[in-house]
Amino acid sequence: EVQLLESGGDLVQPGGSLRLSCAASGFTFSNYAISWVRQAPGRGLEWVSGISGSGTTTYYADSVRGRFTISRDNSKSTVYLQMNSLRAEDTATYYCAKGEYVAGTSYWGRGTLVTVSS
Amino acid sequence: DVVMTQSPLSLPVTLGQPASISCRSNVSLVHSDGNTYLNWFQQRPGQSPRRLIYKVSNRDSGVPDRFSGSGSGTDFTLKISKLEAEDVGIYYCMQGTHWPITFGQGTRLEIK
Repeated sequence: EVQLLESGGDLVQPGGSLRLSCAASGFTFSNYAISWVRQAPGRGLEWVSGISGSGTTTYYADSVRGRFTISRDNSKSTVYLQMNSLRAEDTATYYCAKGEYVAGTSYWGRGTLVTVSS
Repeated sequence: DVVMTQSPLSLPVTLGQPASISCRSNVSLVHSDGNTYLNWFQQRPGQSPRRLIYKVSNRDSGVPDRFSGSGSGTDFTLKISKLEAEDVGIYYCMQGTHWPITFGQGTRLEIK
């Protein structure tokens, strides 16, 4: 059974940092791209970042480029999202999603909540 | 960025009746590889999004055949042939042809 489990969400002050993790199981991890998609409370979906199966190619939304870094450890079947210089507008539930390609997003985890507030 | 515009934003439908959601992009979603990367997602209340349709018209495994996707270029449609109670939720289209990936605003589907 395919599983994606996000963790690392927390309450953090503006300007702070946080690292999210997405632990996968039930499929050949290195064969799949992973994306992070966020949803602010009561709002729609916003794609944040994506990484190829090999980890050699990464993509970012303009709103997070230069502040967020996506990476993966295929030996641990885990993708990370390092978030620096956090802003109030980064407050959201962050989902990771797997796909045959970055835009595939065929299966989603349950999400982890990030709250940026003083 | 590619703008994805869904309509309507709210859709009340009687159980057993059809429902249709439109999604339009401001540029063609035909990729240079010939594919059109247009997906549809369902988000039930309190749940994570679930992909229903990929590349315009391909239904994901386990998705009931009452769901269908169609369209081309800049104009796409998600149809539900007969609404069931479990279909209540918010539906999003998403384009993956152009970077960055973008979503429509979402259409809230409810029982009339």
